[in-house]
Amino acid sequence: DQQVKQNSPSLSVQEGRISILNCDYTNSMFDYFLWYKKYPAEGPTFLISISSIKDKNEDGRFTVFLNKSAKHLSLHIVPSQPGDSAVYFCAASDNDYKLSFGAGTTVTVRA
Amino acid sequence: NAGVTQTPKFRILKIGQSMTLQCAQDMNHNYMYWYRQDPGMGLKLIYYSVGAGITDKGEVPNGYNVSRSTTEDFPLRLELAAPSQTSVYFCASSYSRHSGNTIYFGEGSWLTVV
Repeated sequence: DQQVKQNSPSLSVQEGRISILNCDYTNSMFDYFLWYKKYPAEGPTFLISISSIKDKNEDGRFTVFLNKSAKHLSLHIVPSQPGDSAVYFCAASDNDYKLSFGAGTTVTVRA
Repeated sequence: NAGVTQTPKFRILKIGQSMTLQCAQDMNHNYMYWYRQDPGMGLKLIYYSVGAGITDKGEVPNGYNVSRSTTEDFPLRLELAAPSQTSVYFCASSYSRHSGNTIYFGEGSWLTVV
């Protein structure tokens, strides 16, 4: 049973515009959420995270928003750049060291 | 720094064969993990280890075995390979628990069972 869901398998955005990636979860015990970025033929790399006690975390061009009541989080990339073209995974943990991953969203940034 | 190193990168197995995916980390991390990623799916945890001599099952352990005799190494053994084990396998490590931001992944091992 998929506890973390990314319902949009792909997203295409023009360079300079905002990319918004969405993620929903079902396990109310999750208390830490992360976004990973993955290029082809490479392992995932950490991008940004947020604790359940916060509703927003910002790091440069990347901002993650958490809506606990809706069990929803989103990743905003502003402005989008060609190097942002990759697969983005949403992940969550429940006070443990194991992560549950979504299926990923492939972002393509058009010049 | 080598980080997390996986070998082999690519392998084709025949049904029923066995093989071991090697994983080594040089960061002195206590926690190590094996994930698999199927097309269109997220990463699923196969096995994990919280230290040398300690291993435990993840979400999808059937058909696999692991061992952790040293802090550095965490090999994944496939016994009697099946087509359902065709996947990309990622080894990862972290220093401590609840540190998702410091989980380091290897580059992946592409396995095809025919």
